Amino acid sequence: QKEVEQDPGPLSVPEGAIVSLNCTYSNSAFQYFMWYRQYSRKGPELLMYTYSSGNKEDGRFTAQVDKSSKYISLFIRDSQPSDSATYLCAMSEGNTPLVFGKGTRLSVIA
Amino acid sequence: GAVVSQHPSWVICKSGTSVKIECRSLDFQATTMFWYRQFPKQSLMLMATSNEGSKATYEQGVEKDKFLINHASLTLSTLTVTSAHPEDSSFYICSAPLRAGGNEQFFGPGTRLTVL
Repeated sequence: QKEVEQDPGPLSVPEGAIVSLNCTYSNSAFQYFMWYRQYSRKGPELLMYTYSSGNKEDGRFTAQVDKSSKYISLFIRDSQPSDSATYLCAMSEGNTPLVFGKGTRLSVIA
Repeated sequence: GAVVSQHPSWVICKSGTSVKIECRSLDFQATTMFWYRQFPKQSLMLMATSNEGSKATYEQGVEKDKFLINHASLTLSTLTVTSAHPEDSSFYICSAPLRAGGNEQFFGPGTRLTVL
């Protein structure tokens, strides 16, 4: 079993839809959880950073962490064509290298 | 967020030559930087951890004599791909945590290497 599982998609949604992206993990020692957005041929851009369980909201983005279920989510409200990208979840025990999911390719259709 | 730059953004070279890629933290100091490789439609694969003033730590399966890493200052790490071959063609990306020992990592824009 891989440490971090993420459905690669592709996921295609109409403009304005709510998008739900998810990752599951097996290492209960993970405490720091991140979501990155990566456009084609670009480096990943940090979208959300959370510590331990709970929710965090930033504009149209909401990150949720459920450590009891080893499950994290990223919600995108009012999705836009410019949100079309690959979304990578990443996590760390703390002061250790990040472990990435494979990434989910999202297409938002106008 | 913090800014990390890479140079060059893309490079094409002949098989057998060496290529140097620079990674700079522009507005913060980074005692640690990370080097990743990413193949098309794949996730990031950690190659090595670069430590300022000391030897890099390489992940299992990564040849340290082929991928030379030098972290000579608090804002610059370099990755040299020695005697490059077509199978080394990939997207190389560096990252740095904003704070020493921190977990928020900021990535450079990546360097696309094509070896002919």
